[in-house]
Amino acid sequence: KAGVTQTPRYLIKTRGQQVTLSCSPISGHRSVSWYQQTPGQGLQFLFEYFSETQRNKGNFPGRFSGRQFSNSRSEMNVSTLELGDSALYLCASSLGQGGENIQYFGAGTRLSVL
Amino acid sequence: GNSVTQMEGPVTLSEEAFLTINCTYTATGYPSLFWYVQYPGEGLQLLLKATKADDKGSNKGFEATYRKETTSFHLEKGSVQVSDSAVYFCALNSGTGNQFYFGTGTSLTVIP
Repeated sequence: KAGVTQTPRYLIKTRGQQVTLSCSPISGHRSVSWYQQTPGQGLQFLFEYFSETQRNKGNFPGRFSGRQFSNSRSEMNVSTLELGDSALYLCASSLGQGGENIQYFGAGTRLSVL
Repeated sequence: GNSVTQMEGPVTLSEEAFLTINCTYTATGYPSLFWYVQYPGEGLQLLLKATKADDKGSNKGFEATYRKETTSFHLEKGSVQVSDSAVYFCALNSGTGNQFYFGTGTSLTVIP
């Protein structure tokens, strides 16, 4: 079974630009969660999508948005990039129901904002 | 609310030493608890989990016991190897919805 796939692996953008990151979950998983990982802040939860609906949302500004398609693939968009948005963005998929759900992570997209 | 606190790193140990990484949590309801590991340049991988009080999760020589009375889930390994060098994250899922809460991570370096 293929794991969680994130594309691209690396991105370099300049301030003010916008960026779209993609995540393909494990087959059969309906939940996709996004996290921002930085050395100072650790893993911070961005949002979770389940069956194309945003179910949970972290404390990030509206510049960060996402969506999920009918095949469970998800995209995350960041508009008007700031230097502080430089981070590793991780996607995790899970079945999405029940407290025992295990999240399976992709390798991440490393975003550098210059 | 829900939160996870784990011991600050970095931690440096000699090969074959005993490892403990402390993790405590605050949660509403009855959470499931997890330890994830992140190797350089990779995403997080599930190391072990426990879903109810007194459960012991174990994998690859690592163990952690879900202690409800002390709200703790400390990670232990009796004899670490160089290949265990990584960042370890404690996490909980509160069981309502599917939101995970992660600790800040503890970096472990094992020297030969």
